[in-house]
Amino acid sequence: RKEVEQDPGPFNVPEGATVAFNCTYSNSASQSFFWYRQDCRKEPKLLMSVYSSGNEDGRFTAQLNRASQYISLLIRDSKLSDSATYLCVVIPNSGGYQKVTFGIGTKLQVIP
Amino acid sequence: EAGVTQFPSHSVIEKGQTVTLRCDPISGHDNLYWYRRVMGKEIKFLLHFVKESKQDESGMPNNRFLAERTGGTYSTLKVQPAELEDSGVYFCASSQLSSGSYEQYFGPGTRLTVT
Repeated sequence: RKEVEQDPGPFNVPEGATVAFNCTYSNSASQSFFWYRQDCRKEPKLLMSVYSSGNEDGRFTAQLNRASQYISLLIRDSKLSDSATYLCVVIPNSGGYQKVTFGIGTKLQVIP
Repeated sequence: EAGVTQFPSHSVIEKGQTVTLRCDPISGHDNLYWYRRVMGKEIKFLLHFVKESKQDESGMPNNRFLAERTGGTYSTLKVQPAELEDSGVYFCASSQLSSGSYEQYFGPGTRLTVT
C-alpha cells in the first residue's frame, strides 16, 4: 500500500461547480498535512496547510480525519484558473525534521 | 526576495555521461531538499540537508547519485554515470530551519533526459 494515495483523476468539472478530493495516508503517526498545487510543467506551490479543526481559505476548505486517516480538499465555485494538479503532502514527523511524502496528485480540469 | 533557483532547466545527456544539477535555495533557508519525479509517478524524496550536513539521504536511488552542499549554501546533485531510468524532473526545495511553518519552497525543477 502506498504511503499517500490519491485518485489521479482527471476530474473534469464545469465552471462554478463544487469539487472535492480525498487523500488517504497509511502512517497513523503522521503529523502534518498539506495541499500543494502544481500547474503543468511548473513547480509545486503550497496551497494550504490542513489543521485538525479544518480550515478554510476563500473558496478552498481543507479537512483532516485522523480516525479514518484521510484529508480532503473542497473547492467551491470552481474557476478556470483552478485547473491544475493538486498534490497531497504528508509529513510523518513533528519538529524540525520534515521528510515529505507526496501523493501522485489529482488533476483538475475546469471547463468553461 | 529571490525564490529557489535551479540550473539547468533542461539537460539531455547520453547514457553513461555525467550531469551535475545545481540548486540555490532561498537565502537564509537552512533546510534544502532534493526530489525527483519520474513520468507518471509521485514526487519522491531523495535527500535532505540541514545546512551542510546530510540529515537524511535514504531516498537516494543508488551510489551513482552524489549530493553536496559545501558551505551550507547552494547544493549540487551529480549523476555519474547516468542511466535511462534517471530521466525525470529533479526538484529542489528549501525551508527555514525552525520557522514553525513547514512550507517548503520549490524551485522550477531540472528536466533531465537520458538517451
